[in-house]
Amino acid sequence: GAGVSQSPRYKVAKRGQDVALRCDPISGHVSLFWYQQALGQGPEFLTYFQNEAQLDKSGLPSDRFFAERPEGSVSTLKIQRTQQEDSAVYLCASSSPLGQLKNTEAFFGQGTRLTVV
Amino acid sequence: DAKTTQPPSMDCAEGRAANLPCNHSTISGNEYVYWYRQIHSQGPQYIIHGLKNNETNEMASLIITEDRKSSTLILPHATLRDTAVYYCIPAISYDKVIFGPGTSLSVIP
Repeated sequence: GAGVSQSPRYKVAKRGQDVALRCDPISGHVSLFWYQQALGQGPEFLTYFQNEAQLDKSGLPSDRFFAERPEGSVSTLKIQRTQQEDSAVYLCASSSPLGQLKNTEAFFGQGTRLTVV
Repeated sequence: DAKTTQPPSMDCAEGRAANLPCNHSTISGNEYVYWYRQIHSQGPQYIIHGLKNNETNEMASLIITEDRKSSTLILPHATLRDTAVYYCIPAISYDKVIFGPGTSLSVIP
């Protein structure tokens, strides 16, 4: 596909369960971002990758949140021991075709809606 | 990161121009002004960006004041599909974009 793809679109987890959310960025995009969006709020930055390097993880709310992008393409956001406050839409975005790191737009996926019960 | 102020909500009649203001008085000289929108249940969508000069594309026009402390996004002929939350985001480059609460635009038939 031409756009950013996220899976699953919806996930219901029991409190305490571990979850893994997948993001397939646009092919060739160097930068990849994860955001968390609570109901009625704007997206909140979680973490940023440039290729396989995680350059900024300052937005991750706790050590239960972990993100990886081992081969510089697909990324996974993992949440361990989910809590009710983790319920949100998790958005992935990619940007920067190779060789063009600045002054570019970001393309967002549809997001994964996580509900912790 | 520059802080922005946008009205929380606005209405616009269908077919009329929608003018969405944004104050970014602390913007630094090398920060662009990006505009994104988010239609209900979708991911944010890029609209336009600019540095100093006014910009226009197929979606919208962006007017930036000479002192760069504010800007206005103009949707020239709003349609019902333009109902969304609009975010004004100063950024040097897309390495860490901070979304504010944005403006919820309702286009009225």
